[in-house]
Amino acid sequence: QKEVEQNSGPLSVPEGAIASLNCTYSDRGSQSFFWYRQYSGKSPELIMSIYSNGDKEDGRFTAQLNKASQYVSLLIRDSQPSDSATYLCAVNGENTGFQKLVFGTGTRLLVSP
Amino acid sequence: DTEVTQTPKHLVMGMTNKKSLKCEQHMGHRAMYWYKQKAKKPPELMFVYSYEKLSINESVPSRFSPECPNSSLLNLHLHALQPEDSALYLCASSQEPVGLAGVNEQFFGPGTRLTVL
Repeated sequence: QKEVEQNSGPLSVPEGAIASLNCTYSDRGSQSFFWYRQYSGKSPELIMSIYSNGDKEDGRFTAQLNKASQYVSLLIRDSQPSDSATYLCAVNGENTGFQKLVFGTGTRLLVSP
Repeated sequence: DTEVTQTPKHLVMGMTNKKSLKCEQHMGHRAMYWYKQKAKKPPELMFVYSYEKLSINESVPSRFSPECPNSSLLNLHLHALQPEDSALYLCASSQEPVGLAGVNEQFFGPGTRLTVL
């Protein structure tokens, strides 16, 4: 079992729809969870961090964390073509001494006009 | 200033060359990281510096040699690389190295695209 799992996609949504990206993790000691957006050929950009169970909203983005079920999700409301990118889930936990981010393989999102 | 800078943006080198990648941040962050990223793969951690001391080496070959001259600078010295080392090299920094909420967010620089011939 991979430490952090994501569906590679592509996830295709029409412009204006809600895009839902999911991530599961195996380390129950994980405490910090991050979503990065990466455009092709560019570096990852941090868009959300979440540390407590529940929802965290920032503009069109909502991160959801459920530690009991070991999943974290990212919702993108009113999706725009400019949101088309690969979204990386990253987890920081006890197994790695809290110093190391473990990345999922990323989900490619395509938003069509 | 919330920026991590990296130079050069692109680097082409032969297998016998010696070159260095540079990374700089002025956010007062005390942890800095080197990652390697191949196409369509997630970033792969290479090294972690915590308070200017090497704290994690992910069993990286000795042809990669990190250096942290001060709290703002991180170098990666390259020597006798192989074509399979061609990748995007990313530097990142975080306020603190440990997993405390709010201080361990990692911010990436734009990367150096390395090609080894």
